[in-house]
Amino acid sequence: EAQVTQNPRYLITVTGKKLTVTCSQNMNHEYMSWYRQDPGLGLRQIYYSMNVEVTDKGDVPEGYKVSRKEKRNFPLILESPSPNQTSLYFCASSLERVGGYTFGSGTRLTVV
Amino acid sequence: QKEVEQNSGPLSVPEGAIASLNCTYSDRGSQSFFWYRQYSGKSPELIMFIYSNGDKEDGRFTAQLNKASQYVSLLIRDSQPSDSATYLCAVNQGNKLVFGAGTILRVKS
Repeated sequence: EAQVTQNPRYLITVTGKKLTVTCSQNMNHEYMSWYRQDPGLGLRQIYYSMNVEVTDKGDVPEGYKVSRKEKRNFPLILESPSPNQTSLYFCASSLERVGGYTFGSGTRLTVV
Repeated sequence: QKEVEQNSGPLSVPEGAIASLNCTYSDRGSQSFFWYRQYSGKSPELIMFIYSNGDKEDGRFTAQLNKASQYVSLLIRDSQPSDSATYLCAVNQGNKLVFGAGTILRVKS
């Protein structure tokens, strides 16, 4: 089944404790992206990647890191999480540079 | 000014009616326009895309684009209770895809 897989689905952590949210797609898509979704603000792009080793900042990159060492994987790293990073996170991939995304199931992160 | 604007709703329509969802965008260079549907607690799913001025139909859905007015809309004919969801408009800005905050649609049976 063609899909984008995120893990974990739910995560509660403490301020300052480094964490990684994994994302993997099995559709051989070149384009991958991370979004966060907050009430009233909608989906905001954190980072995107157009191919292996090619990443760029979205609209809200502060406090986040990404890497794209393999085509299928695009992990999101929070080096020192803070409470304002409490949010619902989505990974997405598409075949075209800016095309129709397939979204993962989401990761609900709470930072206390 | 937000880059992609949508009325947050809720938009309530009776079952069988036409639901009209609207979106405006600020970047005149945008070339690609998308509509996603998001059920409560679920991830967004793509339902329509449009690249050229005019109408594009797919089943009960019609996307309409007017680049001169920087306006894109989604019509849902014969609305069903299962269409009740949040509809997200998305527009490209260069390599980025920017989303509106979404319109809540409620279809009443």
